[in-house]
Amino acid sequence: DAKTTQPNSMESNEEEPVHLPCNHSTISGTDYIHWYRQLPSQGPEYVIHGLTSNVNNRMASLAIAEDRKSSTLILHRATLRDAAVYYCILRDVGGGADGLTFGKGTHLIIQP
Amino acid sequence: DGGITQSPKYLFRKEGQNVTLSCEQNLNHDAMYWYRQDPGQGLRLIYYSQIVNDFQKGDIAEGYSVSREKKESFPLTVTSAQKNPTAFYLCASIPRDRGRVNYGYTFGSGTRLTVV
Repeated sequence: DAKTTQPNSMESNEEEPVHLPCNHSTISGTDYIHWYRQLPSQGPEYVIHGLTSNVNNRMASLAIAEDRKSSTLILHRATLRDAAVYYCILRDVGGGADGLTFGKGTHLIIQP
Repeated sequence: DGGITQSPKYLFRKEGQNVTLSCEQNLNHDAMYWYRQDPGQGLRLIYYSQIVNDFQKGDIAEGYSVSREKKESFPLTVTSAQKNPTAFYLCASIPRDRGRVNYGYTFGSGTRLTVV
Protein backbone atom coordinates (compact mmCIF):
# COMPACT_ATOMS: atom_id res chain seq x y z
CA ASP A 1 0.00 0.00 0.00
CA ALA A 2 1.18 3.53 -0.79
CA LYS A 3 2.43 5.69 2.10
CA THR A 4 0.49 8.53 3.76
CA THR A 5 1.77 11.45 5.84
CA GLN A 6 -0.24 13.05 8.64
CA PRO A 7 0.59 15.58 11.35
CA ASN A 8 1.34 13.94 14.69
CA SER A 9 -1.25 15.99 16.56
CA MET A 10 -3.81 18.75 16.15
CA GLU A 11 -5.85 20.75 18.60
CA SER A 12 -9.27 22.29 18.14
CA ASN A 13 -12.07 23.81 20.19
CA GLU A 14 -15.37 22.16 20.87
CA GLU A 15 -18.20 23.01 18.45
CA GLU A 16 -15.76 24.29 15.82
CA PRO A 17 -14.95 22.59 12.49
CA VAL A 18 -11.81 20.46 12.28
CA HIS A 19 -9.81 19.82 9.12
CA LEU A 20 -7.44 16.85 9.34
CA PRO A 21 -4.95 16.74 6.44
CA CYS A 22 -3.35 13.74 4.79
CA ASN A 23 -0.69 13.73 2.08
CA HIS A 24 -0.37 10.79 -0.28
CA SER A 25 1.79 11.98 -3.14
CA THR A 26 2.49 8.44 -4.45
CA ILE A 27 -1.16 7.43 -4.65
CA SER A 28 -2.04 5.27 -7.64
CA GLY A 29 -5.12 5.59 -9.81
CA THR A 30 -6.76 2.57 -8.17
CA ASP A 31 -6.13 3.55 -4.53
CA TYR A 32 -9.10 4.40 -2.36
CA ILE A 33 -8.55 6.83 0.54
CA HIS A 34 -9.86 5.48 3.83
CA TRP A 35 -10.15 7.14 7.24
CA TYR A 36 -10.46 5.34 10.54
CA ARG A 37 -10.40 6.73 14.05
CA GLN A 38 -9.45 5.16 17.35
CA LEU A 39 -10.90 6.38 20.61
CA PRO A 40 -8.79 5.85 23.75
CA SER A 41 -8.52 2.17 24.71
CA GLN A 42 -10.82 1.13 21.85
CA GLY A 43 -10.40 -0.54 18.49
CA PRO A 44 -10.38 1.64 15.35
CA GLU A 45 -13.70 2.41 13.70
CA TYR A 46 -14.34 3.13 10.04
CA VAL A 47 -15.14 6.78 9.32
CA ILE A 48 -15.31 7.32 5.57
CA HIS A 49 -13.64 6.49 2.26
CA GLY A 50 -13.49 7.91 -1.24
CA LEU A 51 -11.79 7.64 -4.63
CA THR A 52 -12.02 10.95 -6.51
CA SER A 53 -15.14 12.85 -5.54
CA ASN A 54 -15.81 14.45 -2.18
CA VAL A 55 -17.86 12.25 0.14
CA ASN A 56 -20.21 12.96 3.02
CA ASN A 57 -21.72 10.71 5.67
CA ARG A 58 -23.20 11.13 9.11
CA MET A 59 -19.78 11.15 10.77
CA ALA A 60 -17.68 13.38 8.53
CA SER A 61 -16.85 14.71 5.08
CA LEU A 62 -13.88 13.79 2.91
CA ALA A 63 -12.44 16.38 0.57
CA ILE A 64 -10.07 14.99 -2.08
CA ALA A 65 -7.70 17.23 -4.01
CA GLU A 66 -8.11 17.29 -7.76
CA ASP A 67 -4.71 15.62 -8.28
CA ARG A 68 -5.55 13.15 -5.46
CA LYS A 69 -2.19 13.75 -3.79
CA SER A 70 -3.84 14.98 -0.63
CA SER A 71 -7.13 14.75 1.19
CA THR A 72 -8.81 16.33 4.19
CA LEU A 73 -11.16 14.78 6.70
CA ILE A 74 -13.65 17.37 7.92
CA LEU A 75 -15.51 17.16 11.20
CA HIS A 76 -18.11 19.88 10.87
CA ARG A 77 -18.69 20.53 14.55
CA ALA A 78 -16.26 18.82 16.88
CA THR A 79 -17.39 17.44 20.21
CA LEU A 80 -15.31 16.09 23.09
CA ARG A 81 -16.20 12.61 21.90
CA ASP A 82 -14.29 13.26 18.67
CA ALA A 83 -10.99 13.28 20.57
CA ALA A 84 -9.18 10.31 19.04
CA VAL A 85 -6.34 9.23 16.78
CA TYR A 86 -7.32 9.56 13.12
CA TYR A 87 -5.69 7.33 10.52
CA CYS A 88 -5.55 8.00 6.79
CA ILE A 89 -4.99 4.75 4.84
CA LEU A 90 -4.75 3.95 1.13
CA ARG A 91 -6.25 0.73 -0.18
CA ASP A 92 -5.98 -0.52 -3.73
CA VAL A 93 -9.34 -1.42 -5.25
CA GLY A 94 -7.89 -4.82 -6.05
CA GLY A 95 -6.10 -5.17 -2.75
CA GLY A 96 -8.15 -8.06 -1.50
CA ALA A 97 -8.70 -8.80 2.18
CA ASP A 98 -5.10 -8.94 3.40
CA GLY A 99 -5.47 -6.30 6.10
CA LEU A 100 -4.90 -2.57 6.55
CA THR A 101 -1.55 -0.83 6.99
CA PHE A 102 -1.68 1.75 9.78
CA GLY A 103 0.72 4.64 10.33
CA LYS A 104 0.84 6.63 13.58
CA GLY A 105 -2.11 8.84 12.63
CA THR A 106 -3.07 12.28 13.95
CA HIS A 107 -3.91 12.66 17.61
CA LEU A 108 -6.85 15.10 17.71
CA ILE A 109 -7.25 17.03 20.96
CA ILE A 110 -10.53 18.84 21.57
CA GLN A 111 -10.58 21.70 24.06
CA PRO A 112 -13.87 22.45 25.84
CA ASP B 1 -26.48 -6.37 17.50
CA GLY B 2 -23.70 -7.88 15.41
CA GLY B 3 -20.09 -7.25 16.30
CA ILE B 4 -16.74 -8.58 17.43
CA THR B 5 -16.17 -9.71 21.01
CA GLN B 6 -12.68 -9.89 22.41
CA SER B 7 -11.98 -11.42 25.77
CA PRO B 8 -10.63 -10.88 28.28
CA LYS B 9 -10.32 -7.09 28.29
CA TYR B 10 -7.22 -7.26 30.50
CA LEU B 11 -4.83 -10.20 30.80
CA PHE B 12 -1.74 -10.73 32.89
CA ARG B 13 0.83 -13.35 32.01
CA LYS B 14 3.89 -14.60 33.74
CA GLU B 15 7.06 -14.81 31.73
CA GLY B 16 7.44 -18.16 30.00
CA GLN B 17 3.70 -18.88 29.85
CA ASN B 18 1.56 -19.23 26.76
CA VAL B 19 -1.73 -17.34 26.77
CA THR B 20 -4.69 -17.38 24.38
CA LEU B 21 -6.76 -14.32 23.43
CA SER B 22 -10.30 -14.89 22.24
CA CYS B 23 -11.97 -13.23 19.23
CA GLU B 24 -15.55 -14.09 18.25
CA GLN B 25 -17.70 -12.39 15.59
CA ASN B 26 -21.38 -12.81 14.69
CA LEU B 27 -21.22 -10.70 11.53
CA ASN B 28 -20.87 -13.70 9.22
CA HIS B 29 -17.59 -12.18 8.00
CA ASP B 30 -15.16 -14.45 6.17
CA ALA B 31 -11.85 -12.71 6.84
CA MET B 32 -10.44 -12.09 10.33
CA TYR B 33 -7.28 -10.36 11.53
CA TRP B 34 -5.08 -9.88 14.58
CA TYR B 35 -3.18 -6.67 15.17
CA ARG B 36 -0.77 -5.55 17.86
CA GLN B 37 -0.51 -1.94 19.05
CA ASP B 38 2.29 -0.54 21.21
CA PRO B 39 1.93 2.81 23.03
CA GLY B 40 1.90 5.79 20.66
CA GLN B 41 2.20 3.54 17.62
CA GLY B 42 -0.07 2.41 14.83
CA LEU B 43 -1.38 -1.12 14.46
CA ARG B 44 0.82 -3.92 13.11
CA LEU B 45 -0.60 -7.05 11.50
CA ILE B 46 0.19 -10.37 13.22
CA TYR B 47 -1.92 -12.96 11.38
CA TYR B 48 -4.97 -13.04 9.17
CA SER B 49 -7.38 -15.64 7.86
CA GLN B 50 -9.55 -15.25 4.77
CA ILE B 51 -11.34 -18.58 5.11
CA VAL B 52 -11.86 -21.37 7.63
CA ASN B 53 -8.85 -23.68 8.13
CA ASP B 54 -6.51 -21.26 6.36
CA PHE B 55 -4.42 -18.37 7.66
CA GLN B 56 -1.40 -16.29 6.67
CA LYS B 57 1.41 -14.59 8.57
CA GLY B 58 1.38 -10.84 8.80
CA ASP B 59 4.32 -8.53 9.40
CA ILE B 60 5.12 -9.63 12.98
CA ALA B 61 4.00 -13.29 13.28
CA GLU B 62 7.04 -14.58 15.21
CA GLY B 63 6.09 -15.79 18.68
CA TYR B 64 2.37 -16.00 17.87
CA SER B 65 0.07 -18.76 16.62
CA VAL B 66 -3.55 -18.85 15.46
CA SER B 67 -6.26 -21.30 14.44
CA ARG B 68 -9.44 -20.90 12.40
CA GLU B 69 -11.60 -23.97 12.97
CA LYS B 70 -14.87 -22.03 12.83
CA LYS B 71 -15.90 -19.05 10.74
CA GLU B 72 -16.86 -16.99 13.78
CA SER B 73 -13.76 -17.64 15.90
CA PHE B 74 -10.08 -16.69 15.46
CA PRO B 75 -8.11 -17.19 18.70
CA LEU B 76 -4.56 -15.87 19.06
CA THR B 77 -1.96 -17.63 21.22
CA VAL B 78 0.94 -15.57 22.49
CA THR B 79 3.71 -18.08 23.09
CA SER B 80 6.73 -17.92 25.35
CA ALA B 81 8.80 -17.33 22.21
CA GLN B 82 7.36 -13.80 21.94
CA LYS B 83 10.03 -11.77 23.73
CA ASN B 84 8.05 -8.59 24.30
CA PRO B 85 4.36 -9.51 24.45
CA THR B 86 3.09 -6.59 26.54
CA ALA B 87 0.79 -4.69 24.15
CA PHE B 88 -2.78 -3.94 23.13
CA TYR B 89 -4.18 -6.66 20.84
CA LEU B 90 -6.98 -5.97 18.38
CA CYS B 91 -9.09 -8.34 16.31
CA ALA B 92 -10.87 -7.26 13.12
CA SER B 93 -13.05 -8.76 10.40
CA ILE B 94 -14.43 -8.00 6.95
CA PRO B 95 -16.72 -9.83 4.50
CA ARG B 96 -14.34 -11.50 2.09
CA ASP B 97 -16.34 -10.69 -1.02
CA ARG B 98 -16.33 -7.03 -0.01
CA GLY B 99 -12.61 -6.98 0.69
CA ARG B 100 -12.07 -6.09 -2.92
CA VAL B 101 -14.49 -3.16 -2.97
CA ASN B 102 -13.09 -1.43 0.08
CA TYR B 103 -15.87 -2.00 2.57
CA GLY B 104 -15.02 -0.93 6.12
CA TYR B 105 -13.26 -3.26 8.52
CA THR B 106 -14.92 -3.93 11.91
CA PHE B 107 -12.69 -4.00 14.99
CA GLY B 108 -13.16 -5.42 18.48
CA SER B 109 -12.50 -3.44 21.67
CA GLY B 110 -9.14 -5.08 22.28
CA THR B 111 -7.29 -7.08 24.92
CA ARG B 112 -4.53 -5.43 26.92
CA LEU B 113 -1.86 -8.01 27.73
CA THR B 114 0.73 -7.36 30.41
CA VAL B 115 3.64 -9.62 31.28
CA VAL B 116 4.39 -9.63 35.00
